Amino acid sequence: EVQLVQSGAEVKKPGESLRISCKGSGYTFTNNWINWVRQMPGKDLEWMGRIDPSDSYTNYSPSFQGHVTMSADKSISTAYLHWSSLKASDTAMYYCVRQLHHLLSGNKHKWFDPWGQGTLVTVSS
Amino acid sequence: DIQMTQSPSSLSASVGDRVTITCRASQDINNYLAWYQQKPGKAPELLIYAASILQSGVPSRFSGSGSGTDFTLTVSSLQHEDVATYYCQNYSDPPGITFGPGTKVEIK
Repeated sequence: EVQLVQSGAEVKKPGESLRISCKGSGYTFTNNWINWVRQMPGKDLEWMGRIDPSDSYTNYSPSFQGHVTMSADKSISTAYLHWSSLKASDTAMYYCVRQLHHLLSGNKHKWFDPWGQGTLVTVSS
Repeated sequence: DIQMTQSPSSLSASVGDRVTITCRASQDINNYLAWYQQKPGKAPELLIYAASILQSGVPSRFSGSGSGTDFTLTVSSLQHEDVATYYCQNYSDPPGITFGPGTKVEIK
C-alpha cells in the first residue's frame, strides 16, 4: 500500500524553528515529486511547492518562497518542511502529497495521490 | 497564476438527490483538472483526474466532465458518506498548481 506518514502535531512559539517530516512507503520514493499543501483553520487548500526527492530540486509557490524550505533524504524516503522563524500566521494543517505523472492521450497529467494524514502546527506565545 | 472558482460554495441536498458542482478556470487548462473530497477532520482524497477519469475505488455515483475552462463534478445519488468539502485542482503546470475554494456538501 502506498502511504505517506507525517510527523505529529507541534506547538511552538513565534520565532522558533521547526521541521516536520513526511515518510513514503510502498513505492519508489525517488520516482515522484512530493508536494506540500497548507490549510489554515477553516480555510481552503494552498499549494506551497514541491521537491523532487531524486535530486532535491525544489519549486516554490511565490506565496511561500523564502518563508519555508523543502528538503528530502532519499536514503530514508523522507521529505521535510522547515521554518527558521515561525509566525502566528503559520498556524495551520500541513499536508504532504505525492504527485503522479502519466501520459494520457499524449498529454502529461500530474495529479496528487495519496495525501499524508497532515501535521497540525500551532504557533502561539 | 490561473485562478479557480467553484459554485456553489455550499449546498444542502437530500439523500438520493443528484448533486452538481461547477469549477471554472480563469484560462484554458485543457483537461488538467482533478477533484478531491475532504471529509471533516481528514486529509483530502483523490476522486477524479484528467477531468473525467474516476480514481480506482471511488464509487461510480461520482463523475466528472468538462474541458477548457468549465468543469463539473456530479454525484448521481447523494449518500450520507458523501458529506464533505469538494475541491477542484488545476495542475496545468507551469504556471503553477491552484485549488478552487471548495464546495461544502451537507445532507438536508
